[in-house]
Amino acid sequence: DARVTQTPRDKVTEMGQEVTMRCQPILGHNTVFWYRQTMMQGLELLAYFRNRAPLDDSGMPKDRFSAEMPDATLATLKIQPSEPRDSAVYFCASGLQGETQYFGPGTRLLVL
Amino acid sequence: KQEVTQIPAALSVPEGENLVLNCSFTDSAIYNLQWFRQDPGKGLTSLLLIQSSQREQTSGRLNASLDKSSGRSTLYIAASQPGDSATYLCAVRGGGGSEKLVFGKGMKLTVNP
Repeated sequence: DARVTQTPRDKVTEMGQEVTMRCQPILGHNTVFWYRQTMMQGLELLAYFRNRAPLDDSGMPKDRFSAEMPDATLATLKIQPSEPRDSAVYFCASGLQGETQYFGPGTRLLVL
Repeated sequence: KQEVTQIPAALSVPEGENLVLNCSFTDSAIYNLQWFRQDPGKGLTSLLLIQSSQREQTSGRLNASLDKSSGRSTLYIAASQPGDSATYLCAVRGGGGSEKLVFGKGMKLTVNP
C-alpha cells in the first residue's frame, strides 16, 4: 500500500529557529506538492515540483521559506527563521502529472 | 482569482439520511474538480475526481456532479453512516496547465447513530 510519508509528524519550536520538514513521495510519482492548512485560511498551495524542478512557488513567502527536491525520493520544506504565524499543518502530496494528488499525514508545526 | 466556497461549514444529521454537500467556484474555466475527505489529525483522501468535460462521477454511495457553467458541484452521500463523519473538501484545478488546486474551507459532517 503505497503512501506519502512525512517527518516529523509534530514539531514544537521557538521563534527564530530553523524548521525542516521532509516528505517521501510515492515511488514513481513525478509531481510533488507542499500545502499549508490553517483554520483561518484553509488549505493553500505553497509550491510544487515536477520531475524535481520547481514549477510554482508563488504561494510561498520567499524571504523565509524554501522548498527543494534533492532527489526523486525526498522533498524538503524549510523555514528560517520561523515565526509564530507559521504555526499550521503542512501537507505534502504527490501524484502523476494531471492525475489525483495523494496526501501525506501532515506535519503539525507550532512556533512559540 | 479562483475562489471556492462550501456552505454550510458544518452539518449534523441522523444516520440513514441522504445528504447533499455543496461547492461553488467563481471561475468556470476549470480543468477538473475533486472532492476530498479529511479525518481529524489526518491527511486528505481523494473521493471523486470529475473532469471538466464530465457531468458526474460515482463511487459506491457517493455521487458527485459538476455544472461548470453555473460554477457548482454537489456531492451526494446516500444512506449516511457514522463512519462518514469527517470534513469534506472541494478543490478545483484551473486550466492553463497548472496543477494548482484551490480548496474550499470544507464542511464538517457529523452523522449521529
